Formats: sequence, C-alpha cells, structure tokens
Amino acid sequence: QVQLVESGGGVVQPGRSLRLSCAASGFTFSSNVMYWVRQAPGKGLEWVAVISYDGSNKYSADSVKGRFTISRDNSKNTVYLQMNSLRVEDTAVYYCARDRSGGGYWSYGMDVWGQGTTVTVSS
Amino acid sequence: QSALTQPASVSGSPGQSITISCTGTSSDVGGYKYVSWYQQYPGKAPKLMIYEVSNRPSGVSNRFSGSKSGNTASLTISGLQAEDEADYYCSSYTSSSTLVIFGGGTKLTVL
Repeated sequence: QVQLVESGGGVVQPGRSLRLSCAASGFTFSSNVMYWVRQAPGKGLEWVAVISYDGSNKYSADSVKGRFTISRDNSKNTVYLQMNSLRVEDTAVYYCARDRSGGGYWSYGMDVWGQGTTVTVSS
Repeated sequence: QSALTQPASVSGSPGQSITISCTGTSSDVGGYKYVSWYQQYPGKAPKLMIYEVSNRPSGVSNRFSGSKSGNTASLTISGLQAEDEADYYCSSYTSSSTLVIFGGGTKLTVL
C-alpha cells in the first residue's frame, strides 16, 4: 500500500544538526512533489520545505531558510531534510507528505502523510 | 508571512451543518485555486479532505464540501457526526517566497 515512513528524529542540543529521512513505498515516488511539514507541541501545522519530482526545484519556509535543506534520492525512494543550526523553536513533529498530483505536477494538496518523527531541541 | 486566518473553534450538534472560514489575501487564497483542507485527530497525521478549493479525494464523505469567495475559502460539513470532531486546517499556495501557507487551525466540537 501507499506509505511514507519518517525516521531520524531525536533529542539534540541547540546549534547541532540532524537529518530526517522519509522512505516511500507503494507508488511511483519519482513522479511526485514531496513536502516536509512540522507541528510544534500544541500548535498548528507549518509548512517547512518542498521539492519537485526530480529535485530540480526546492523551496523552504523563511523560518528555516539557510538552515534546512530538502533533497531526494529517487533511486532509493527517499526524501530527506537536513537540519543545521537547530533552535529550540524547531522542536516539533516532522511529517513528510506527498503531493496528490503525479506526473511531476504541483497541486499543493498533500494526500499521503507519514506518521511523523519527533525532533526535540533542548540543552 | 502570517498564517491564513481561521476561527479558533466552531461547534455544532449532530445533524447540523457548520462552516469553517479561511481568510487570506489576493496573493494566496484569493489569487489561486490551490486551497486545501485537512482534518487532524489528536496525535495523528493530517488527512486531506478537500483540494483545489472544492474537490474531494476518493474516499472522503460527500458531507464535506469546499468553496471560495474572494480572499476567503470555506469548508462546510453537513450532517455533522461525532466522528467529525477534530482539528481542521486550510492551506494555500502563495506567490510569496513562502510558497505554501497554512491556517492556524480550527477545533470542531460536536455537541
């Protein structure tokens, strides 16, 4: 079945780095735009980053720009989020999600979500 | 860029209809068809309920409908059921550097 599984979360000190992974299965991964979305404890959803189907276009939220980098490896059906210079305010559950449009199109609707991985930034 | 504006909470009785609003600007909600709505239960991942303003993904009940007027999008749930009690978020494409913006979320209580 169509599935996304995140990994790589954990507890990290401020200023350190962490890399999240999201493994996809059950669909043609190389055809879909992919997103990272986070949710701080007790807060709403916040879009973090997005990458085109082929990795040629990437965008990130102002709050993480210059610190977080999204990438993908279509041969491994995996999307990544490299998080550097982590801050306390980056503490959240991080979800990866699939754009509902295949064929390389962008619909900005996320129809498949992973279960989330928790990142805690604390000294 | 600030989040899209949603009411913090709405409530309704079983069988009633409720509407959740999502207000943005001409740079996001008002300017494009890329408005989506998500349902989220506590501790769970969000679920896509509406995409491109008014389209329902396969498997989503037709009690859920979406619309847009000007800079405000709306999610309407008819025939309210206890299982509809959840948090609801809107999102939109934005022409700003942010690209995607979410609303602050609305907690729906079924009385």
